[in-house]
Amino acid sequence: KNEVEQSPQNLTAQEGEFITINCSYSVGISALHWLQQHPGGGIVSLFMLSSGKKKHGRLIATINIQEKHSSLHITASHPRDSAVYICAVRNSNFGNEKLTFGTGTRLTIIP
Amino acid sequence: NAGVTQTPKFRILKIGQSMTLQCAQDMNHNYMYWYRQDPGMGLKLIYYSVGAGITDKGEVPNGYNVSRSTTEDFPLRLELAAPSQTSVYFCASSYSARATEAFFGQGTRLTVV
Repeated sequence: KNEVEQSPQNLTAQEGEFITINCSYSVGISALHWLQQHPGGGIVSLFMLSSGKKKHGRLIATINIQEKHSSLHITASHPRDSAVYICAVRNSNFGNEKLTFGTGTRLTIIP
Repeated sequence: NAGVTQTPKFRILKIGQSMTLQCAQDMNHNYMYWYRQDPGMGLKLIYYSVGAGITDKGEVPNGYNVSRSTTEDFPLRLELAAPSQTSVYFCASSYSARATEAFFGQGTRLTVV
């Protein structure tokens, strides 16, 4: 079993829909990152969370440390949100240099 | 501000050939990382560096070497290319291990035939 599991693997939705992507992890963590990988391959950091909730524009990320679960929500989704969304955790049992990555959720927003 | 610059973007190597993937950042970041991304898998850490002159192995270091002679540059060397090294390689940097944001290069798609 992978230390970081994402669901769903693929998600197709209509423009305007509310999107939820889930990330579950099985290890103790010091932080969790959400990343966005564009169709061209580039990767950008969206959020780093260690507790609670963060919001940036139409993106909201939450984390429940007790349940070892995080969600990324997109409100009023738009075709430009189409990308692969990757969850990564910083394992508190190892040096802080190591991130463990999920396999990503491929999101497609249809106009 | 260029951020993290990786070259080349694409490369085809024959088995046994060598090459160096270049990575440079202009943000004065101490931490730099090399990852590989295989289809259906999460990114795996190859090597990382916490500052000039200091490097350490990640999860999948076999077949690779790195050096960090300056803060800006962190090249990844493949000495004897093998088909198993066909992958997309990403260089990343961050100010510290606990930084809220990591910056990634655009990736290098390497095919070994």
